[in-house]
Amino acid sequence: DAGVIQSPRHEVTEMGQEVTLRCKPISGHNSLFWYRQTMMRGLELLIYFNNNVPIDDSGMPEDRFSAKMPNASFSTLKIQPSEPRDSAVYFCASSLTEYEQYFGPGTRLTVT
Amino acid sequence: AQSVTQLDSQVPVFEEAPVELRCNYSSSVSVYLFWYVQYPNQGLQLLLKYLSGSTLVKGINGFEAEFNKSQTSFHLRKPSVHISDTAEYFCAVSGSGGYQKVTFGTGTKLQVIP
Repeated sequence: DAGVIQSPRHEVTEMGQEVTLRCKPISGHNSLFWYRQTMMRGLELLIYFNNNVPIDDSGMPEDRFSAKMPNASFSTLKIQPSEPRDSAVYFCASSLTEYEQYFGPGTRLTVT
Repeated sequence: AQSVTQLDSQVPVFEEAPVELRCNYSSSVSVYLFWYVQYPNQGLQLLLKYLSGSTLVKGINGFEAEFNKSQTSFHLRKPSVHISDTAEYFCAVSGSGGYQKVTFGTGTKLQVIP
């Protein structure tokens, strides 16, 4: 299996622009997670989907962030409008059990 | 809610020396415990996990960890490190059973010195 696939790997955008991050989970996994990693706050869970349904979105920072999972093989995380404080590495992870998550390589977002 | 503390932000160690990375957790319920490794510019990879049973858990790349309930610790050890072990290591905790949010520590950067 190719593992969790994320695109793009790097994104540089200007403040106010819309940003869309994409994730393809491992085939057969029924859980998907979006995390944000920064030096200041470490690794934070943004949202968790199970069987394509959002279960826990308590970590989504504010209304500028939204996530969708239209099917079992694709998810997006959108930021609109983006702000410099959104600069971070965003990870997608998928799992089949509640105790082992497989992480993608991440998307490094820079908002100027 | 659970929390996890990694006291050491950086640990330098000479190649072939032993290493211990410390992790303490806090929880009012039964827990699952994990160690993940992150190599530069990569995602996190599971090293090992404690779910139940034997308190000594062996993982990949020669690492092991011991669950100590009385001290609420889950320290990671390796008897002899290699240059390739240079990475950041994250301890994590979740409640046991069903979906439980995984809480990650702030990470410990292991630097192996030739």
